[in-house]
Amino acid sequence: AQTVTQSQPEMSVQEAETVTLSCTYDTSESDYYLFWYKQPPSRQMILVIRQEAYKQQNATENRFSVNFQKAAKSFSLKISDSQLGDAAMYFCAYRRTQGGSEKLVFGKGTKLTVNP
Amino acid sequence: DTGVSQDPRHKITKRGQNVTFRCDPISEHNRLYWYRQTLGQGPEFLTYFQNEAQLEKSRLLSDRFSAERPKGSFSTLEIQRTEQGDSAMYLCASSFSQGSGELFFGEGSRLTVL
Repeated sequence: AQTVTQSQPEMSVQEAETVTLSCTYDTSESDYYLFWYKQPPSRQMILVIRQEAYKQQNATENRFSVNFQKAAKSFSLKISDSQLGDAAMYFCAYRRTQGGSEKLVFGKGTKLTVNP
Repeated sequence: DTGVSQDPRHKITKRGQNVTFRCDPISEHNRLYWYRQTLGQGPEFLTYFQNEAQLEKSRLLSDRFSAERPKGSFSTLEIQRTEQGDSAMYLCASSFSQGSGELFFGEGSRLTVL
């Protein structure tokens, strides 16, 4: 079974600084999707960024970028120029591309605090 | 489109009572998912539908839990004979079956069992 591990229960960053959240996963599949979701306090979860495993180029979305290391099964999220609105729980998630279970499997999350 | 909506947002019930949650997905989406999230944890998969067919159920979904999506549109999640351990946030999400399958989440239904 696929598993997703986020080893940092909490992280903090100063406003305007850069922070990296870690995620590792376990799978025997060669193609799959990886996601980072953001869940602000008492708000709905929203997608931050996605990566398809067969694409070697790391995904970027404005201030958010990933470091995808397929061989190491690592998928970290870098947030540049951190803003107060980035404070939230961040969840790493995995989904296989086809066949078998197509559910999203989530890690336990990292709580990010942004200090002014 | 107003996104995924869930009702009720909060439910307080006594142990042993039945509760039902409703989810209205984004209308174009053919997949609908239910997840459970406890405090400080990531969402745990419960079940998902493609159109009206329930394609997968987690072992977490005991026989006290039942989900339906009768016409391939809205879905209901019923919990019978609630237990204190059922207290959690129940999240609904919808997606297309093609592509990356990005999930769009509702705000959740928080259940408290006294």
